[in-house]
Amino acid sequence: EVQLVESGGGLVQPGGSLRVSCAASGFTFSTSWMHWVRQRPGEGFFWVSRISDDGNRKDYADSVAGRFTVSRDNGMSTMYLQMNSLRVDDTATYYCVRDQTGTGDYWGKGTLVTVS
Amino acid sequence: DIVMTQTPLSLSVTPGQAASISCKSSQSLLNSVGKTYLSWFLQKPGQSPQLLIHEVSRRFSGVPARFSGSGSGTDFTLEISRVEAEDVGVYHCMSGLSLPWTFGQGTKVEI
Repeated sequence: EVQLVESGGGLVQPGGSLRVSCAASGFTFSTSWMHWVRQRPGEGFFWVSRISDDGNRKDYADSVAGRFTVSRDNGMSTMYLQMNSLRVDDTATYYCVRDQTGTGDYWGKGTLVTVS
Repeated sequence: DIVMTQTPLSLSVTPGQAASISCKSSQSLLNSVGKTYLSWFLQKPGQSPQLLIHEVSRRFSGVPARFSGSGSGTDFTLEISRVEAEDVGVYHCMSGLSLPWTFGQGTKVEI
């Protein structure tokens, strides 16, 4: 069974930093591209970042580029999102999503990041 | 970025009745090799999204046959043939044609 479990969310002050993690199991993590998608309270979804299977290709939404860094450890089957210079409008639940050509087929339960 | 527009934003349905949600994209979601990357997700209350339909009309593993997707180019529809109580939640369409993925505003379905 595919499982994606996010962790590391919490309360942080504006300008602060936080690293969230996504632990994967039930599939071959090292051959899967992965995404981060966030959802502000009561709002729709917003794509944040994507990382290739080998970690060499990384893409970011314009609003987080230069502040957020995605990475992965295939040996630990874990993806990370390092978030720096956090703003109030970064407050959201951050979801880890497995890429399946043109869509995301499995989503984690999410981790809440509150910037206040 | 591709803009996704869903209608209606809310829908009240009677169990056993049919329901339909529309999604329009600001540009065609057809790629150069003939694939159209339009997906539908359901976010049940308090849960993370679950994939229902991908590539316009392909049901994801385990999704009941009462869910179907149709459309082409920029106009797409999700239909639920006979709504059940467990189908309540917010339905989202998504463009996966290119980055950034973009999503519709969501359609809240309630019984």
